[in-house]
Amino acid sequence: GNSVTQMEGPVTLSEEAFLTINCTYTATGYPSLFWYVQYPGEGLQLLLKATKADDKGSNKGFEATYRKETTSFHLEKGSVQVSDSAVYFCALSDTDSNYQLIWGAGTKLIIKP
Amino acid sequence: DAGVIQSPRHEVTEMGQEVTLRCKPISGHDYLFWYRQTMMRGLELLIYFNNNVPIDDSGMPEDRFSAKMPNASFSTLKIQPSEPRDSAVYFCASSLGRIQETQYFGPGTRLLVL
Repeated sequence: GNSVTQMEGPVTLSEEAFLTINCTYTATGYPSLFWYVQYPGEGLQLLLKATKADDKGSNKGFEATYRKETTSFHLEKGSVQVSDSAVYFCALSDTDSNYQLIWGAGTKLIIKP
Repeated sequence: DAGVIQSPRHEVTEMGQEVTLRCKPISGHDYLFWYRQTMMRGLELLIYFNNNVPIDDSGMPEDRFSAKMPNASFSTLKIQPSEPRDSAVYFCASSLGRIQETQYFGPGTRLLVL
């Protein structure tokens, strides 16, 4: 079945550091891929998405490229801020799951000033 | 524009009591999802509706849980009787047009069952 694997957290970085949060997936079809972010005390919100191979999603300085050859959708940001501290969820949507979102476990990001 | 609205935001109850969580989706959205989030199990889809009709309730943990959507602007998730292991944050989310479209989450209800 479909699945999403994220790097375990917490990930702790200093302000202005480069961020990578790894996400790999297993899917038999051609899934759409998503990153959602959950700020403390809030619900999840879509950060970015990509619907086909080699697409790059971007938002708020974050980027992720849909790599079918490596089944990956790693999240990156060139210079993180304290306000980026949150939990980040990778997810996929595919025909095998009747298009329901399959979620990763989430990666907590802590940015220190 | 108002987002997804959930009430109450916090609920503390005793084991055996009935708990009702409420959700108002974004106006015009035709999909509604109920999720549960815990440290141990992460984010779990409990049930989702399309046009007020339950489509998949395979994630509902047991018969103590039930969900209804009597109209396009209101849904409830009920736990009766509640147990300590039901303590979690419950999220409602809605989306428009297709199930794989962006889901918009409410702020969640933090439930503690003593």
